[in-house]
Amino acid sequence: AQKVTQAQTEISVVEKEDVTLDCVYETRDTTYYLFWYKQPPSGELVFLIRRNSFDEQNEISGRYSWNFQKSTSSFNFTITASQVVDSAVYFCALSEETAGNQFYFGTGTSLTVIP
Amino acid sequence: DSGVTQTPKHLITATGQRVTLRCSPRSGDLSVYWYQQSLDQGLQFLIQYYNGEERAKGNILERFSAQQFPDLHSELNLSSLELGDSALYFCASSPRWPGELFFGEGSRLTVL
Repeated sequence: AQKVTQAQTEISVVEKEDVTLDCVYETRDTTYYLFWYKQPPSGELVFLIRRNSFDEQNEISGRYSWNFQKSTSSFNFTITASQVVDSAVYFCALSEETAGNQFYFGTGTSLTVIP
Repeated sequence: DSGVTQTPKHLITATGQRVTLRCSPRSGDLSVYWYQQSLDQGLQFLIQYYNGEERAKGNILERFSAQQFPDLHSELNLSSLELGDSALYFCASSPRWPGELFFGEGSRLTVL
């Protein structure tokens, strides 16, 4: 079974629209970490955020915000007032304490921001 | 710059050949991971090393092998290459858990 599910394969939005990328995870561990990575067209993978399972506070960084809800096993990512430079593939990932340093990646969501 | 160095950046070879991809992790990181990303595909975990020892194995083919050396750099060896092996191969390093993964720029392999 998929440990991390990103149901949205592709999303297109018009510039300045808000967009939310969904991430649902599955784990039996009580201690785990969730991550988001960005892969722009240039190909590199860029770390965006890490959140541990004991911290359900939402996080905001500029136009980016993350909503972590343990009750629904979700860690969603919202981009406010999207820009063309936000066009990329975004990956959500899970790392469990019992699995040591293993990371489980979702299949990614390709976001296209149309000018 | 993530601090993870991968070489070569691009590689074109023929079917049946063997190639070696090299990765130098960030200074101080003991864990090295290898991932394969085929066209329009997600990240497929291949293998993980921690301080020279294999820690976890993913969907790595028998034709592929890897190792991590005492200086912590790692090599991924791909042999008897097939067209389907064409992909972007990423190396990532991480400090002790639960550190995030820092990815190299990837090695783009094209098998003709």
